[in-house]
Amino acid sequence: GQNIDQPTEMTATEGAIVQINCTYQTSGFNGLFWYQQHAGEAPTFLSYNVLDGLEEKGRFSSFLSRSKGYSYLLLKELQMKDSASYLCAVRESTSGTYKYIFGTGTRLKVLA
Amino acid sequence: DTAVSQTPKYLVTQMGNDKSIKCEQNLGHDTMYWYKQDSKKFLKIMFSYNNKELIINETVPNRFSPKSPDKAHLNLHINSLELGDSAVYFCASSRSGLNTEAFFGQGTRLTVV
Repeated sequence: GQNIDQPTEMTATEGAIVQINCTYQTSGFNGLFWYQQHAGEAPTFLSYNVLDGLEEKGRFSSFLSRSKGYSYLLLKELQMKDSASYLCAVRESTSGTYKYIFGTGTRLKVLA
Repeated sequence: DTAVSQTPKYLVTQMGNDKSIKCEQNLGHDTMYWYKQDSKKFLKIMFSYNNKELIINETVPNRFSPKSPDKAHLNLHINSLELGDSAVYFCASSRSGLNTEAFFGQGTRLTVV
């Protein structure tokens, strides 16, 4: 079965660094995605890992360890606009088709 | 230039009614999805279509019937609406192959009263 766990809520201060963890158990693993979702809006893609290691995109980095079923999203130099939910998603591949399975999301509050 | 567009954005209707939500993508993707996001913000996959064919049906009640007239469109029809169907419904699309993320529409907030 599928199981994706993230902390429900985190709080950090403007300018700080925050790490949002995600653990997963799934079959047919085909990539780990991070999405950002502001209240009332659609999820938007942030980062993607298919191999172990760190992927860096500006202020955002994502790490993956497939053997441990673990990923994290690192946000640096936090800004107020980073207050949002962060969704960890696993893409599963079955017989050449894909589906994206989402965790429950981590609501991040950035304080001044 | 909208990549994935859904209509309507808001839908308020009474219990027992039938309603449809439309979705179109202009990205040339071959796979489209419907997701339901409940009040706890959990985004759950409902259906997946690949090149107009149903690939995934995640134990959704048969009151929900997706239809894909072509690979750029995936509509969702809901019969006999219930209070528990109130949620935000997101359409998404993706391309096959590695290094491809799913793109989401802006969502349809359905309220059943």
